[in-house]
Amino acid sequence: DQQVKQNSPSLSVQEGRISILNCDYTNSMFDYFLWYKKYPAEGPTFLISISSIKDKNEDGRFTVFLNKSAKHLSLHIVPSQPGDSAVYFCAASAQARGSTLGRLYFGRGTQLTVWP
Amino acid sequence: KAGVTQTPRYLIKTRGQQVTLSCSPISGHRSVSWYQQTPGQGLQFLFEYFSETQRNKGNFPGRFSGRQFSNSRSEMNVSTLELGDSALYLCASSPQRGFATDTQYFGPGTRLTVL
Repeated sequence: DQQVKQNSPSLSVQEGRISILNCDYTNSMFDYFLWYKKYPAEGPTFLISISSIKDKNEDGRFTVFLNKSAKHLSLHIVPSQPGDSAVYFCAASAQARGSTLGRLYFGRGTQLTVWP
Repeated sequence: KAGVTQTPRYLIKTRGQQVTLSCSPISGHRSVSWYQQTPGQGLQFLFEYFSETQRNKGNFPGRFSGRQFSNSRSEMNVSTLELGDSALYLCASSPQRGFATDTQYFGPGTRLTVL
């Protein structure tokens, strides 16, 4: 059962425009969310995270928004650059130590292509 | 500081064989997690080891097993390989036990092909 869902397998955006990647989750126990980026032949690298006590977190061109009531988060990349072309994975976890949820649950990923 | 290393990077096996994959975490990291990545399923959690003990396990059959050594290096083993085991196997390390707030650092993965 996929507890973290990325319903768009791919997204194509022109350079300089905004990229919006979406993620939904089903488990209300999740209270920490992360985005990872993966290039071919490399492992995923951490991009940005957000705790459920916040609804927004920014890091340079990357902003993550969290809507707890809708169990939805999104990653905004502004402006998009060709080097951002990669697979983006959304992940969720519960911070309670000892919880069986204390591991990362990943979505299936969204392939972002930024074209010039 | 060296990153997470995984060996081998590529592996070809036939059905019924067994395979052992190795992961060396970042120096000082004590938690190692393993994931299977396939095109249709994304990253599926296999298991997590901390202080030589399995702390968490995903929904994989018993053919998938692992262990962690006193130096935090980890191995995973897959016995009686099936075609569906063809995947990229990723290892991730973090300083403490794999709590969400501890960033996990991934290795480049081992690409396993089962013929």
